[in-house]
Amino acid sequence: DIVMTQTPLSSPVTLGQPASISCTSSQSLVYRDGKTYLSWLQQRPGQPPRLLIYKISNRFSGVPDRFSGSGAGTDFTLKISRVEAEDVGVYYCMQATQFPYTFGQGTKLEIK
Amino acid sequence: QVQLQESGPGLVKPSQTLSLTCTVSGGSISSGGYYWSWIRQHPGKDLEWIGYISNSGKTYYNPSLKSRVTISIDTSKDQFSLSLNSVTAADTAMYYCARDGGGGNWYVDYWGQGTLVTVSS
Repeated sequence: DIVMTQTPLSSPVTLGQPASISCTSSQSLVYRDGKTYLSWLQQRPGQPPRLLIYKISNRFSGVPDRFSGSGAGTDFTLKISRVEAEDVGVYYCMQATQFPYTFGQGTKLEIK
Repeated sequence: QVQLQESGPGLVKPSQTLSLTCTVSGGSISSGGYYWSWIRQHPGKDLEWIGYISNSGKTYYNPSLKSRVTISIDTSKDQFSLSLNSVTAADTAMYYCARDGGGGNWYVDYWGQGTLVTVSS
């Protein structure tokens, strides 16, 4: 299985300041069709996960533009340009390039 | 917008079979070439992908669960189901059904609210 490793596991951030989460995969996530199936999910307290970013850098419908994704191959980053109170929760990276799909262990974003 | 809703028993005895159903609304389960997934989240918050099924019945299961899992689909009811047999306490988790975009769009875009299943005697 592809192992997804996130850093940091916890990220205290001041409101209005940027935040960044890294995700590293144990193998390249480039699929045979040339696309990279790396997604970012947000899970607010008491809620199911929600898709934020797909295929590295594409924002899903309704996701604010303060969220952005980047990376290639095995190294990926989720950035929040200015953290708002509603961004509190746990963020997961997920790969769908190879079966079985696997997830990072999650990064808890909290407000200082 | 598509919506998914899980249903099924919240308590299952050890060694018995866990059975859940996901009802899809806001669109037909047969259209669009999507794949329909089950994912679970253990109490420690780790997410585990269980498997998926296409609208034609093609399945893929996580090898770690393959011997115990069956996913089926009923297109007439816009439902798909999960069966997990010989459960133990390690199967206690929040179970989510979700939609996968399919070929060229392999990502999970919509999730149900989840249903908590506890395995206990």
